[in-house]
Amino acid sequence: KAGVTQTPRYLIKTRGQQVTLSCSPISGHRSVSWYQQTPGQGLQFLFEYFSETQRNKGNFPGRFSGRQFSNSRSEMNVSTLELGDSALYLCASSQDSNSLYNEQFFGPGTRLTVL
Amino acid sequence: GNSVTQMEGPVTLSEEAFLTINCTYTATGYPSLFWYVQYPGEGLQLLLKATKADDKGSNKGFEATYRKETTSFHLEKGSVQVSDSAVYFCALSDQGGNTPLVFGKGTRLSVIA
Repeated sequence: KAGVTQTPRYLIKTRGQQVTLSCSPISGHRSVSWYQQTPGQGLQFLFEYFSETQRNKGNFPGRFSGRQFSNSRSEMNVSTLELGDSALYLCASSQDSNSLYNEQFFGPGTRLTVL
Repeated sequence: GNSVTQMEGPVTLSEEAFLTINCTYTATGYPSLFWYVQYPGEGLQLLLKATKADDKGSNKGFEATYRKETTSFHLEKGSVQVSDSAVYFCALSDQGGNTPLVFGKGTRLSVIA
């Protein structure tokens, strides 16, 4: 089974621009979560989508948004980029079964640099 | 809110040395606890997990025991290898199966031959 894929792997943008990142989950996985990783703040949860609906949301400004398509693929968008948005953005997918815990499988991430 | 505190790195060890990375947590209820590993240029991989008190998670020679009395989940390995060099993250999620992961800041481990 193919793993979680994220595109693009690297991105350079300038302040004020917007960016869209894409994530394709493992086949059969219906939940997709996004995390931001920075040296200062570490790994922080952005949001989670399930069945095309946002189910959980972290503490990020409204410039950060996302969506999920009917095939479970997900995109996240950041508008009006700031220097502080430079980070590794990780996507994770899970099956969303009825078990106590659904393991999240992470993609390799998209490295965003804002100049 | 929930939080995870793990020892700051970097940690540098010689091959075959004993490894301990401390992790403590703050959470309401009974969270599930995890250790993830991140190799250079890659995403996170689940190393091991424990979902209830006194459970021991183990994988690839690494172990961690869920200690509710001390709210800890320390990672140990008896004999590290150069290939274990990576960043290790302790994390928790509330019970419920689909709650977000809360991560510690990560500990960079370098193993020297």
